[in-house]
Amino acid sequence: GQNIDQPTEMTATEGAIVQINCTYQTSGFNGLFWYQQHAGEAPTFLSYNVLDGLEEKGRFSSFLSRSKGYSYLLLKELQMKDSASYLCAVRDSNYQLIWGAGTKLIIKP
Amino acid sequence: GAVVSQHPSWVICKSGTSVKIECRSLDFQATTMFWYRQFPKQSLMLMATSNEGSKATYEQGVEKDKFLINHASLTLSTLTVTSAHPEDSSFYICSATTSSGEWGEQFFGPGTRLTVL
Repeated sequence: GQNIDQPTEMTATEGAIVQINCTYQTSGFNGLFWYQQHAGEAPTFLSYNVLDGLEEKGRFSSFLSRSKGYSYLLLKELQMKDSASYLCAVRDSNYQLIWGAGTKLIIKP
Repeated sequence: GAVVSQHPSWVICKSGTSVKIECRSLDFQATTMFWYRQFPKQSLMLMATSNEGSKATYEQGVEKDKFLINHASLTLSTLTVTSAHPEDSSFYICSATTSSGEWGEQFFGPGTRLTVL
């Protein structure tokens, strides 16, 4: 079956750095997405990786290793507004998006 | 750009009634629209995928006669929950893709919270 694993919850301090991991086992691979979802709101697109390596976008970076079935989202200079759930999603060989359960990130002052 | 709206944002209805939720792409033509439901503290569950002018493709376990999807144009899709029951109470979210999207990312609407009494 297809599976995406992420930690359920993480806690970090304002101003610090946090890394949210995602491992996946899917039938084929056509890209990996990270979305941010604040409580009670819809997800918003953060990043996309299809080749191995690091993609940097301001305070957020996303890394992919296809051989390891592994990605992480790195958030720097954490702000209180970064408290949200972070969803990892993989597009499989049929171009279907397989969603992880999300990681709830709690930022403390 | 790539804004998706949903209406209503929340709705409360009595058991046995039907509820229609609209999803519109405001500034682009959507090649494909998706409907999700999300229970508290859980991830998104894809219900169906629809393309304009064709029948929706439902995910396994989703009753197509209960969740009617109409994709009338390149900017509008509707989800009708027929004969709603309390167990249908959930957060329903639509999303859309556009051919101009760099990576085929989905753009999400703000969601509709349905409560069935």
